[in-house]
Amino acid sequence: EPEVTQTPSHQVTQMGQEVILRCVPISNHLYFYWYRQILGQKVEFLVSFYNNEISEKSEIFDDQFSVERPDGSNFTLKIRSTKLEDSAMYFCASRVGPITDTQYFGPGTRLTVL
Amino acid sequence: GENVEQHPSTLSVQEGDSAVIKCTYSDSASNYFPWYKQELGKGPQLIIDIRSNVGEKKDQRIAVTLNKTAKHFSLHITETQPEDSAVYFCAASINGQNFVFGPGTRLSVLP
Repeated sequence: EPEVTQTPSHQVTQMGQEVILRCVPISNHLYFYWYRQILGQKVEFLVSFYNNEISEKSEIFDDQFSVERPDGSNFTLKIRSTKLEDSAMYFCASRVGPITDTQYFGPGTRLTVL
Repeated sequence: GENVEQHPSTLSVQEGDSAVIKCTYSDSASNYFPWYKQELGKGPQLIIDIRSNVGEKKDQRIAVTLNKTAKHFSLHITETQPEDSAVYFCAASINGQNFVFGPGTRLSVLP
């Protein structure tokens, strides 16, 4: 069964450093999402991406965040200058298309900012 | 914007008993309500979903009910098993777009 994959599973970085989190969505999916889950809290929407542009972003998704689909398979989330409060699990999700609602989530990347 | 509340935050049941988790939402435009199960160290896995034109949906031991008037929906798990132990999240969405999740319920099924 196709699934969303994410790399790395765990990323440790120093405050102020840039990180890139990678996702490979399910191959025939057209809508892509990033969510964040701070330890012990609920999953929060960050950004949605369709047709090579951002569809919607939350207030969390400020100028230090960016997303990109550099080729036909990868979907990346970049954090330019990490802060301690960026430490969280980051989940990528994908959805087939406009007539289907189901989002499939990847296993997540645990980001630890020291 | 949409706000989703979820109760209880923790739930312990004996194996074989039923478990019920309830969620409320605020935006009457929301029309898609998925339930996700999250096991330790893993991403959320969809277990069942319901759309606003349906009042109830069942899949083996799992069922979801939706009351649009009251803006609440519930997850029902019957004949619980130890492997049902996990954190369960409800979510609300308009047409499958940006999910707003509830805070989660930690379900423990005691053998």
